[in-house]
Amino acid sequence: GENVEQHPSTLSVQEGDSAVIKCTYSDSASNYFPWYKQELGKRPQLIIDIRSNVGEKKDQRIAVTLNKTAKHFSLHITETQPEDSAVYFCAASGGVSNAGKSTFGDGTTLTVKP
Amino acid sequence: DVKVTQSSRYLVKRTGEKVFLECVQDMDHENMFWYRQDPGLGLRLIYFSYDVKMKEKGDIPEGYSVSREKKERFSLILESASTNQTSMYLCASSFSQGKYFGPGTRLTVT
Repeated sequence: GENVEQHPSTLSVQEGDSAVIKCTYSDSASNYFPWYKQELGKRPQLIIDIRSNVGEKKDQRIAVTLNKTAKHFSLHITETQPEDSAVYFCAASGGVSNAGKSTFGDGTTLTVKP
Repeated sequence: DVKVTQSSRYLVKRTGEKVFLECVQDMDHENMFWYRQDPGLGLRLIYFSYDVKMKEKGDIPEGYSVSREKKERFSLILESASTNQTSMYLCASSFSQGKYFGPGTRLTVT
């Protein structure tokens, strides 16, 4: 089945710096790649997603890039703020091997120091 | 605005008890999912359902069963709770791909 690896597992940045989280996937048929943010004690929430026919997508301070050939995608957060501190999960779905259900990475704990 | 609710935020049960966790969504979504979340292990899929009375096993179905009698409701059942099922349980629903999660149920089995 699909396998998603996420790096790093923890990331600490200074407020105002950029943060980058990377994920790789194994099923070349996967075509949908969402990112979820989970603040402490709260539910995961979808923050941005990208489909396989697009190479990059931006929404204010966050962006996601996708390299289908290399089978990896990344989340970029610019001008980080303390409220960006959370656990971020990537996921991949839509491939033949997982029939629409998402496979999640293990998560990255981002800490933004003021 | 999608709302996914779960029957309990916190639950304490004894080993061997039968446990029901319920999830309700109000957006007429076809797809519903049950995950468990443990530190360092991310979100692991237990079961999912694409339609009423339809279910498929996820990655870790052992010790669990599910029921979907109505489109809006998806129940997770622990037939005989064990201590290794102590975890955070998250329900989710989706229409196409992006998932909407419930608030979670923190289950402790003693």
